[in-house]
Amino acid sequence: QLQLQQSGPGLVKPSETLSLTCTVSGGSVTNYYWVWIRQSAGEGLEWIGRLYTTGSTSYNPSLKSRVTMSVDASRNLLSLHVASVTAADTAMYYCARLQIYYNATYYSDWGPGTQVSVSS
Amino acid sequence: DIQMTQSPSSLSASVGDRVTITCRASQRLDTFLNWYQQKPGKAPKVLIYGASSFHSGVPSRFSGSGSGTDFTLTISNLQPEDFATYFCQQTYNTPHTFGQGTKVEIK
Repeated sequence: QLQLQQSGPGLVKPSETLSLTCTVSGGSVTNYYWVWIRQSAGEGLEWIGRLYTTGSTSYNPSLKSRVTMSVDASRNLLSLHVASVTAADTAMYYCARLQIYYNATYYSDWGPGTQVSVSS
Repeated sequence: DIQMTQSPSSLSASVGDRVTITCRASQRLDTFLNWYQQKPGKAPKVLIYGASSFHSGVPSRFSGSGSGTDFTLTISNLQPEDFATYFCQQTYNTPHTFGQGTKVEIK
């Protein structure tokens, strides 16, 4: 059974960088796409971007200049960094695995989420 | 970005009822439309993918239909554990986008 375990600080100061990790167990990160999503009361569910295990990335244009995603396949570890955070980045952050078929693409497995608040 | 509009935003229903939630996309999606269920404090869980395919373990009272721009999630014989918030999602184009959610509450 695939499990995603998330970790990271719950509180980040404005203008600093938010850094979160997602550790995959019960399976390998290899040969899959992985996504990061965030959810806030004001914005609902927002796609941050996706990452392939080669390191190839695609980011939401609304966040592109501030987001970096990476993968460490040897540790089954995914990382998300969001730079220059503001209160608008306060949200629950999720990692998830992307399942791709010829006529469907969906998020099959989700981490439990990390609640991040941006405040001084 | 593709805009996803769900309706209604909330509804009240009783155990045993049949519930229908609709989702309209701002452009055609073929069948790249998914439905998720979210309970308070939990991550969303996929119910239906590819507009009408059941994810493993999902009860058969959940069904999805539609293609193009208009899609429907139907819950027949609503059960107590079905009271939750439901989201549609398009994965036709990036950025993937979600509907605003439909909260199903107990009448």
